[in-house]
Amino acid sequence: DSGVTQTPKHLITATGQRVTLRCSPRSGDLSVYWYQQSLDQGLQFLIHYYNGEERAKGNILERFSAQQFPDLHSELNLSSLELGDSALYFCASSLRLEGRGLNTEAFFGQGTRLTVV
Amino acid sequence: GQQVMQIPQYQHVQEGEDFTTYCNSSTTLSNIQWYKQRPGGHPVFLIQLVKSGEVKKQKRLTFQFGEAKKNSSLHITATQTTDVGTYFCAGISSGSARQLTFGSGTQLTVLP
Repeated sequence: DSGVTQTPKHLITATGQRVTLRCSPRSGDLSVYWYQQSLDQGLQFLIHYYNGEERAKGNILERFSAQQFPDLHSELNLSSLELGDSALYFCASSLRLEGRGLNTEAFFGQGTRLTVV
Repeated sequence: GQQVMQIPQYQHVQEGEDFTTYCNSSTTLSNIQWYKQRPGGHPVFLIQLVKSGEVKKQKRLTFQFGEAKKNSSLHITATQTTDVGTYFCAGISSGSARQLTFGSGTQLTVLP
């Protein structure tokens, strides 16, 4: 168990719809990353939040948005869904203070498998 | 922005053969991390390298961090079927952003 919780695990929805994916980071982790992984593909970076603020954007479509809340959980909103949005969406948390300083190891959730039909 | 490139994208090896994946960053890194994603799973942290020229070993896996802290490699000796999966490198930028950037991954298939 990585300590990162993603819900739901599976989601099937129709084209044109809107969904929200949720991520609870490991306790103490300040950074949350969202990635999209299509079948047999690499990790496509979507967005990075650090302590509630957006830090970096990757190849995130305008139809997608995200936010990190004061309790550091994050949500990824996907709207006007298209067939091509079907993928595994991972959340990873990172960056925590430990005895020797900052630990940057990333822990991934199990992912949300989105199927758009 | 920071880019991390990884080659090869795919590698098929016969069980017992060696395997190497290479990672190159467009900017100097404060550290480099390696992750393994088993089929159907999520990426799991393997190791972190921090020092210039650092070499670390985990059983049959050898990790290197380049002298300029812009490249890294993972070498697996005598691959086994349990090594199957996708190996990702991830670099932390040297600046204050602490941005973790993943490479595209190398998908390793080990033929029995």
